[in-house]
Amino acid sequence: DQQVKQNSPSLSVQEGRISILNCDYTNSMFDYFLWYKKYPAEGPTFLISISSIKDKNEDGRFTVFLNKSAKHLSLHIVPSQPGDSAVYFCAARAWSNRDDKIIFGKGTRLHILP
Amino acid sequence: DGGITQSPKYLFRKEGQNVTLSCEQNLNHDAMYWYRQDPGQGLRLIYYSQIVNDFQKGDIAEGYSVSREKKESFPLTVTSAQKNPTAFYLCASSWSASMNTEAFFGQGTRLTVV
Repeated sequence: DQQVKQNSPSLSVQEGRISILNCDYTNSMFDYFLWYKKYPAEGPTFLISISSIKDKNEDGRFTVFLNKSAKHLSLHIVPSQPGDSAVYFCAARAWSNRDDKIIFGKGTRLHILP
Repeated sequence: DGGITQSPKYLFRKEGQNVTLSCEQNLNHDAMYWYRQDPGQGLRLIYYSQIVNDFQKGDIAEGYSVSREKKESFPLTVTSAQKNPTAFYLCASSWSASMNTEAFFGQGTRLTVV
């Protein structure tokens, strides 16, 4: 059973426009959420995160929004640039005394069109 | 330079042989993780460890084994019991989840079993 879901396998966006990547989760114990960017045959690189006590976090062109009641988060990239073409993974983390998993979604491949 | 190192980048093994993938970090991180990436599957958690001499199974632990004898090292052994070992393996490390921080990834090891 997938605890972190990215329902769009791919997304194409015109250069300069806004890219919106979505993520849903099922485990209400998750309290920290992360977005990673990945190129083929490389390790993922961290982009931006958000704690469950916030509903928005912004870093340059990247903004993450969290809707806890809907168990939904989204990553906004504006303006989109050619170098943004990559696979984006949503991840969630829950902390308890004995469990410190980081669970990833299946990823969304973003294509930035010229 | 601080970081997380996986070696080798490419690994070939014959079917039925055990193989060990190396993961070393000098970030003084408490937690370490092993993931497997297959096309269309995202990153699936194999094993994780929060402290030395302790580790927990992830979602797809069958056919794998790990050890955490030192804080810096978290090797993964792919045993002959793993039915589909060919994949891209990623190691990550982070501070404890109580600190709400991201995980850092190595560059990955591509294992091909022939």
